[in-house]
Amino acid sequence: SQQGEEDPQALSIQEGENATMNCSYKTSINNLQWYRQNSGRGLVHLILIRSNEREKHSGRLRVTLDTSKKSSSLLITASRAADTASYFCATDPYSGAGSYQLTFGKGTKLSVIP
Amino acid sequence: EAQVTQNPRYLITVTGKKLTVTCSQNMNHEYMSWYRQDPGLGLRQIYYSMNVEVTDKGDVPEGYKVSRKEKRNFPLILESPSPNQTSLYFCASSPLGQYGYTFGSGTRLTVV
Repeated sequence: SQQGEEDPQALSIQEGENATMNCSYKTSINNLQWYRQNSGRGLVHLILIRSNEREKHSGRLRVTLDTSKKSSSLLITASRAADTASYFCATDPYSGAGSYQLTFGKGTKLSVIP
Repeated sequence: EAQVTQNPRYLITVTGKKLTVTCSQNMNHEYMSWYRQDPGLGLRQIYYSMNVEVTDKGDVPEGYKVSRKEKRNFPLILESPSPNQTSLYFCASSPLGQYGYTFGSGTRLTVV
C-alpha cells in the first residue's frame, strides 16, 4: 500500500539554488525517512525524523515534519549537479514495532543543471 | 565495508524456469526485506523478515518465496517466473527499531 506521496513529481533547478520536495501521508507514523536513488541504483538513506520531532538537519539537508497535517518537506540547500537523483519519502506506520513495513512514495525526480 | 550484496545484478530468464536472487548483509541486522520497483508504481514490499525463521508477506507476495535460515542471508525465490515479474528488485536490511534501511545495488530481472 502506497503511503507517502511526493510533490512535485519532477523538479529542475540551477546549481546553487535550493530544492524543496514535499511528502504527504495518510496514517499515523512512528517516523518518516528520506532516501536518494541515482538512476537505477540502490536507495541511500538520507535522514530519519521521528513522529515527536519537528525539524532535523544533516549537512545541506533540512527535513521538517508536521504530524497534524501529515506532511514533511526535504530542503536541499546550495544544490550541486551531484544532487541530481530521485528522492523518496518512506513512512514507518505506527505499530510500536519499528521499521518493518516501510512504505515508499513514488519519488521526486530532481535535476540540477550546472 | 558494511553492505548488502545482491546477486546477480542482471538476469534474463524464460517463463517458468525457477530462479533465486541472493541477498547477504554483513552488519548483523535482524531485519531484512525485499522490494520491487516498477515505473509509475514506485517501490512495493514483497516479503520481510524480522529474524531467523521469521518471515511475513508484504504488499505483493504472490509468485515469490523467501527463506531466512541464517541471519545474514535472505534469498528471493521465483519458482515459476512470469513476464509480469520483470522488474528491478532490491534487498534491504536494518537493525530492529527506528533505523534507516541499507539497500543492495539491485537486480534487474527480465522474464521472457
